[in-house]
Amino acid sequence: QMQLVESGGGVVQPGRSLRLSCAASGFKFSSYAMHWVRQAPGKGLEWVANIWYDGSKKYHADSVKGRFTISRDSSKNTVYLQMDSLRAEDTALYYCARDGQYGTPYAFDVWGQGTMITVSS
Amino acid sequence: QSALTQPPSASGSPGQSVTISCTGTSSDVGAYNYVSWYQQHPGKAPRLVIYEVTKRPSGVPNRFSGSKSGNTASLTVSGLQAEDEAEYYCNSYANSYTGSDNWVFGGGTKLTV
Repeated sequence: QMQLVESGGGVVQPGRSLRLSCAASGFKFSSYAMHWVRQAPGKGLEWVANIWYDGSKKYHADSVKGRFTISRDSSKNTVYLQMDSLRAEDTALYYCARDGQYGTPYAFDVWGQGTMITVSS
Repeated sequence: QSALTQPPSASGSPGQSVTISCTGTSSDVGAYNYVSWYQQHPGKAPRLVIYEVTKRPSGVPNRFSGSKSGNTASLTVSGLQAEDEAEYYCNSYANSYTGSDNWVFGGGTKLTV
């Protein structure tokens, strides 16, 4: 079945970097755009970044632009989120999600279980 | 891009219907038919229940329906069941004046059955 598994979370000091990974299985990864979505503790969902199916285009939310970078490696069926200059307000559960593309365009139709990032000194 | 506006809470009795609104602007909800809705139970990942304003993914009961008028989208849950109690989030695709794609969520609505 289709599955997304995030990893790389943990506790990090403000100003430091971290890279998240999301391993996909059960579908043709190279045909789908992918997203990162985050949820601060007790708060709502916030879209973070998107990357096209072929990696040719990438978009980031204003709140992370210039600090976070999304990328993908189709040979590994994995999407990444490089997070630099981390701030306390980046503390959240980070979800990887698939863009429905052909079936459910511009919607997030498959989600991982998330990986928690805590930014604290 | 500002968050879409949802009421913080909604409620209904089993068997009743409830409608949750989601208000955006002419740059997001009003501009595109790419409004989607997500159901999230505590401690779980979100689940897509409506996409492209009115469409239901396979496996989602037809008790869930969506609509849109102008800058406001709505999710209606009919024949409420206990398992419908959850947080619901709307989302809209948008394209900024710089030509960048982005997606914006609503603040969420806690549905109590």
